[in-house]
Amino acid sequence: DTGVSQDPRHKITKRGQNVTFRCDPISEHNRLYWYRQTLGQGPEFLTYFQNEAQLEKSRLLSDRFSAERPKGSFSTLEIQRTEQGDSAMYLCASSFQAGSRGEQYFGPGTRLTVT
Amino acid sequence: AQTVTQSQPEMSVQEAETVTLSCTYDTSESDYYLFWYKQPPSRQMILVIRQEAYKQQNATENRFSVNFQKAAKSFSLKISDSQLGDAAMYFCAYRRGRDDKIIFGKGTRLHILP
Repeated sequence: DTGVSQDPRHKITKRGQNVTFRCDPISEHNRLYWYRQTLGQGPEFLTYFQNEAQLEKSRLLSDRFSAERPKGSFSTLEIQRTEQGDSAMYLCASSFQAGSRGEQYFGPGTRLTVT
Repeated sequence: AQTVTQSQPEMSVQEAETVTLSCTYDTSESDYYLFWYKQPPSRQMILVIRQEAYKQQNATENRFSVNFQKAAKSFSLKISDSQLGDAAMYFCAYRRGRDDKIIFGKGTRLHILP
């Protein structure tokens, strides 16, 4: 296991469709984060998990978004009824420890295009 | 609310020269961490350097160093002996001590001129 992986890398969907992204963290990492990055902006925090528990959700995470980490390993991010404004890069990151030394390692991202 | 501001959308530097990227932040917290992340084109984001707010000494990682001015809430990144592989988007970022979410600036795109 060499790093955080995300699947798919690219997704094109029509407005109104549902999409699901997967993130596989570094195997011993207990924390997993989702960020969204739109063009010309820095990543914005969406939500994070410690093991299977979702500990925080951003106000950016509307009702159409849901994230899970059922067994404390991989995570999925689902967007229902996609809108053009959902077009962005969705980044996943993982870390081993909380707090000061918990460096977050990022995956390559899933680029979503909603047409 | 905490904010991170990068006022230079793009910068260019000649190969082998030194460049400084600027960043300011706003927080009322005393326990926090500052970071510079590098995001090369179509590649994943990696951590370049980290600074703990309680440390007075500026962090250094090989050719990368920071100038941390806590009172001014300034956190600049200096890249010495710039190399072509340094071309990337650089994000300044903040994390409150007890939080885990990271707040990013908008980024500075760095071009390296051969």
